[in-house]
Parts: sequence; structure tokens; C-alpha cells
Amino acid sequence: QISLKESGPTLVKPTQTLMLTCTFSGFSLSSSGVGVGWIRQPPGKALEWLALIYWNDNKRYNPSLKSRLTITKDTSKNQVVLVMANMDPVDTATYYCAHRPQGGSYHYWGQGTLVTVSS
Amino acid sequence: QSALTQPASVSGSPGQSITISCTGTSSDVGSYNLVSWYQQNPGKAPKLMIYEVNKRPSGVSSRFSGSKSGNTASLTISGLQAEDEADYYCCSYAGTFWVFGGGTKLTVL
Repeated sequence: QISLKESGPTLVKPTQTLMLTCTFSGFSLSSSGVGVGWIRQPPGKALEWLALIYWNDNKRYNPSLKSRLTITKDTSKNQVVLVMANMDPVDTATYYCAHRPQGGSYHYWGQGTLVTVSS
Repeated sequence: QSALTQPASVSGSPGQSITISCTGTSSDVGSYNLVSWYQQNPGKAPKLMIYEVNKRPSGVSSRFSGSKSGNTASLTISGLQAEDEADYYCCSYAGTFWVFGGGTKLTVL
């Protein structure tokens, strides 16, 4: 049974750096083809894809946010970390991590964590 | 990159069929058979309904189907039920990243 859960601060100040952790179970990020991605959703708005890390440590980023994002993995801990620099109030959103088995879809999602950016 | 284009809202009566379109470009929807659809209920995480254009994950009703023509993908829900009322998002692989649609609110009348 696959599950994912996001964790991190609920409130950050503008210009600060956000670090979110996705802890997962039921699959291995060392299995060929597997990836874990991050997607966010501002309140009342659409989903926005942020980043993905593959089993072989290849990384993909949203071109519009690439300069601010870093994604890493710790296979031994079954965790993926997303770091977003220079946070702004417009980055207020629910942040989800999701499991990508292979191909182009995200089959299992975490419950999401709401991050508010405010001074 | 621009979000995929979806109608803001669609509606239908119980038992009817509805179709939600998702228009991209030749760089995303038109180039890859890697379009997926997600259902999202208020306050909940998205749920995968269709992947690789027209495949259904285990447990998803056969009333949900997907297709693609050129740069436009479509999600069809047949035999509409009250429980189908939700937001729906399309998503496409775009070569080195993914892009979501703006979302469509489905209302069951």
C-alpha cells in the first residue's frame, strides 16, 4: 500500500527559504523508472507542477521556478525534500508530493500541507 | 510555459454524458501520449482518473474515459452521477516538465 505525507512549516516569512519533506512508504525510489514529484495549489486556484526527482537522481523543474527550486532524495529514509528560496506571499499554497511509477502520471498523492507566506 | 486550457465549468444532469476538453500545444499534448486527468473534491488531494490518454487505474469507474486528437485531450464521463461533482484537471508531459490545466468545475444538476 503506497502512501505519502508532506511535512514542513505552515508559516514562513517573505524572503525566507521553505523546506518541505515528503515521507513515503510502499515503494522504493531506487526502483527503475520511479519518481516523486511536487505539485502545489494556491487557495481556490489550479494545480501547478513544481519538480520531480527520478530513481537515478535526475531532476526536472518547472522552468518558471527553476532558479528557486531544489529537489533531493534520501532513498534510505524514503524521503524527498523540496527547497524553495525567496518565498513570497504568492507562494501561499497547499503543497503536495506524489508518486510517479512510470510514464507521465501521478498515481498516489499525499494529503497536502498548507504553507502560508506572511510577515 | 502556459497552462493547458480547460473550460472553467461544465454541467450535466444525472444520467447524461459530459466531455471536458484540454487544449495544449504541439510541445505537450500534441507530442506525447502522456495526458492524465485528476478529480479533486473540496479540501482533498487530487485523484488519478485517467493516465496515458485513455487508461483507467484500478478502481476507477468505466464511466470515465479519455481520448486525444492533435493538441486537444478530452475526458468523458458517461451516466453522470451526483458523486461526480468535483473539479477536474488535465496534465501533460512536456518534454522535461509537466503542465496542468486550469481546472474545470463539474456541476451535476
